[in-house]
Amino acid sequence: DAEITQSPRHKITETGRQVTLACHQTWNHNNMFWYRQDLGHGLRLIHYSYGVHDTNKGEVSDGYSVSRSNTEDLPLTLESAASSQTSVYFCASSERTSGRTYEQYFGPGTRLTVT
Amino acid sequence: GESVGLHLPTLSVQEGDNSIINCAYSNSASDYFIWYKQESGKGPQFIIDIRSNMDKRQGQRVTVLLNKTVKHLSLQIAATQPGDSAVYFCAESDTPLVFGKGTRLSVIA
Repeated sequence: DAEITQSPRHKITETGRQVTLACHQTWNHNNMFWYRQDLGHGLRLIHYSYGVHDTNKGEVSDGYSVSRSNTEDLPLTLESAASSQTSVYFCASSERTSGRTYEQYFGPGTRLTVT
Repeated sequence: GESVGLHLPTLSVQEGDNSIINCAYSNSASDYFIWYKQESGKGPQFIIDIRSNMDKRQGQRVTVLLNKTVKHLSLQIAATQPGDSAVYFCAESDTPLVFGKGTRLSVIA
């Protein structure tokens, strides 16, 4: 069955370190998204991609970067981790029809703690 | 599990009663809306969707109502069960989806 996976599921890192969170989907979806989820804020969009070599900034992109070298993967990199980036991170993917984004499928999440 | 919304609006419902979760959206041009359910420690899961040319759509035990005049969306869950306890998000179609902050549903056994 097609799925979307994230790794690691839990990560503890120190302030200032570079961290990369992996996202892999086997749906063959064009679109992929990264969100962070914090108490009282719901899901906030970090970066997204509509296809290979395409990346776009979301609402809270500062301090994060992504690259899309193939259809299946969209790794999220924290260039220099800060305590404010302690959060739960969700990756999602969706098909894109006629230029519109529809149902998004979410991964299980990665809990990141920056000490 | 993950703690995803201790400060969210909370709806407490007796098991077996019907639940109604409300959502206001912002973009009058949105033409597609989705409801997601998020259980503790998991990612959001699709429940039901509705297009703007409809005002009601029914699924299994769930119904979504759309009022475009006041930009309001609601999710009705019939005969609420303990397994329905979760955080519920509405999302409106944009590129990408725009999510509401969520409502926590607690089912009292």
